[in-house]
Amino acid sequence: DAKTTQPPSMDCAEGRAANLPCNHSTISGNEYVYWYRQIHSQGPQYIIHGLKNNETNEMASLIITEDRKSSTLILPHATLRDTAVYYCIVRVATGSQGNLIFGKGTKLSVKP
Amino acid sequence: SQTIHQWPATLVQPVGSPLSLECTVEGTSNPNLYWYRQAAGRGLQLLFYSVGIGQISSEVPQNLSASRPQDRQFILSSKKLLLSDSGFYLCAWGIAAPLTVGSRGQFFGPGTRLTVL
Repeated sequence: DAKTTQPPSMDCAEGRAANLPCNHSTISGNEYVYWYRQIHSQGPQYIIHGLKNNETNEMASLIITEDRKSSTLILPHATLRDTAVYYCIVRVATGSQGNLIFGKGTKLSVKP
Repeated sequence: SQTIHQWPATLVQPVGSPLSLECTVEGTSNPNLYWYRQAAGRGLQLLFYSVGIGQISSEVPQNLSASRPQDRQFILSSKKLLLSDSGFYLCAWGIAAPLTVGSRGQFFGPGTRLTVL
């Protein structure tokens, strides 16, 4: 699976949009971009994923560049409960293993 | 709906003692099952995964082992714990069939925090 690069930490004001970047310059054509987050002392939680089109769900939006070498996770109105480590992962969607390779992620701190 | 359970939630064990952590999944059949470990201040490390009963693949050589005696049960064990085994252990399940755009990847349990003294 391709390697991803994320900033180690970011701050965001409560109520503002949080934009978390991820670089995945070696992504292959059959690899999806997944985002998970881990709130302290809990298991990771799926947020969103996409292949090449932008995606939106009730939690966030995912913007993938046209060349697919980078993406941005957007939390439109960050709350204090969004403070967590956010992981960007690229993985092949086919095959039976579907193993996730977690990097160090971005620690997002939402401040009042 | 699918749920995943892990127990115990916390565990304190002396060095050299055995370990058994259990994970069970409800509401799905033939899932892929995974064990991860997260050391303090570090990312998640995949330890084992299983695509079926009795089928275990190890990602990292160590003194831990895993077993899958039933379709929805995954057990992490050790005969003799080391100090370095301390960490947050997470079990996860995923869809076994080839994934589609609609797949949500893996779903994680609440974790077990293990402290080896």
